[in-house]
Amino acid sequence: RKEVEQDPGPFNVPEGATVAFNCTYSNSASQSFFWYRQDCRKEPKLLMSVYSSGNEDGRFTAQLNRASQYISLLIRDSKLSDSATYLCAGDTGGFKTIFGAGTRLFVKA
Amino acid sequence: NAGVTQTPKFRVLKTGQSMTLLCAQDMNHEYMYWYRQDPGMGLRLIHYSVGEGTTAKGEVPDGYNVSRLKKQNFLLGLESAAPSQTSVYFCASSSRAVAGENEQFFGPGTRLTVL
Repeated sequence: RKEVEQDPGPFNVPEGATVAFNCTYSNSASQSFFWYRQDCRKEPKLLMSVYSSGNEDGRFTAQLNRASQYISLLIRDSKLSDSATYLCAGDTGGFKTIFGAGTRLFVKA
Repeated sequence: NAGVTQTPKFRVLKTGQSMTLLCAQDMNHEYMYWYRQDPGMGLRLIHYSVGEGTTAKGEVPDGYNVSRLKKQNFLLGLESAAPSQTSVYFCASSSRAVAGENEQFFGPGTRLTVL
């Protein structure tokens, strides 16, 4: 089992829709989690950090459920510009971060 | 600030050739990482460094070597390239100013093809 697992998608949603991604992790020692956004042929860029139960930034909300060992990303009022791959990542507590393979999102007009 | 830069952006090698990928960061970060990204596999850690003069193996270190002679630079070497090393290589850095908060900043990537 991979340490961080994501549904690869793709998720195809219309503009204005609400979409949610889940990510599960297996290392119970992980303390910090992250969502990165990666555009096609570009580098990943940090979207949100999740250190406690959750975090909200505008249309984006990330939540952490330690009991069930998953984190989620909710995008409200989807925009065409939200189309990208979203990478979930967990800090091992050491020096390394483990990344999921990513979830692809396509927002359609 | 340029952030994290990588050289070169693209490269095509023949099997058995060698090359060095250069990563530079101007954010005074202690920690630097080399990843490879392949379709469906996500980012996999090759080697990392927690400070100048130190390196450590990651998840997929075989066939690669690294050096961190200066804090701002992290070099990734392929001594004898193989087609299995065809990938996109990303360098990243982080400050770890707060323990456990490893927000990483990535370079633009190097697309390597080994024929």
